[in-house]
Amino acid sequence: DVKVTQSSRYLVKRTGEKVFLECVQDMDHENMFWYRQDPGLGLRLIYFSYDVKMKEKGDIPEGYSVSREKKERFSLILESASTNQTSMYLCASRRTGVVPQHFGDGTRLSIL
Amino acid sequence: GQQLNQSPQSMFIQEGEDVSMNCTSSSIFNTWLWYKQDPGEGPVLLIALYKAGELTSNGRLTAQFGITRKDSFLNISASIPSDVGIYFCAGNRDDKIIFGKGTRLHILP
Repeated sequence: DVKVTQSSRYLVKRTGEKVFLECVQDMDHENMFWYRQDPGLGLRLIYFSYDVKMKEKGDIPEGYSVSREKKERFSLILESASTNQTSMYLCASRRTGVVPQHFGDGTRLSIL
Repeated sequence: GQQLNQSPQSMFIQEGEDVSMNCTSSSIFNTWLWYKQDPGEGPVLLIALYKAGELTSNGRLTAQFGITRKDSFLNISASIPSDVGIYFCAGNRDDKIIFGKGTRLHILP
């Protein structure tokens, strides 16, 4: 079974901090995704990566950046965290294609 | 922008009842997807539909891709306690995935 592992289930940070959310998948998938999930808004795509060092902006990339130095690892970076980035963050992967297939269990991030 | 209208927002049903939820849009989609999210976990892809009119089952779950390509429904037969969770529809158009806001299913004992 594919395993997508997010490094933290819960994270509390302060406004202005640089925050790293890590995601690792173990099935050699080409494509990885970062979503945020907010009540009443569903899932919204932040960034998508289709290969090492390759990335595409999703629907809400502002305030975020990503890094994919190795195929199995996709990091989401909040350069200077703000309170409106308090949310549930979900990582996903898929061998090829744009449909997110395997999700991690999420990181619930609170920015104080 | 493109939006998916998913209904109902929440449902309270008795164990053993059948469940029906749907997703509609003003735009045409090439693929319809249904996910389930258990409390404290990430979504799981349940069913993917690729052709207008397609009807696909996965155990007690059945989903259909509407003929107009603007809607899809998901049915769950004979609900059990582990069906509790949030069900999301999603549509793929031009390699862009749009998610609905979810239907939260509650099951009364």
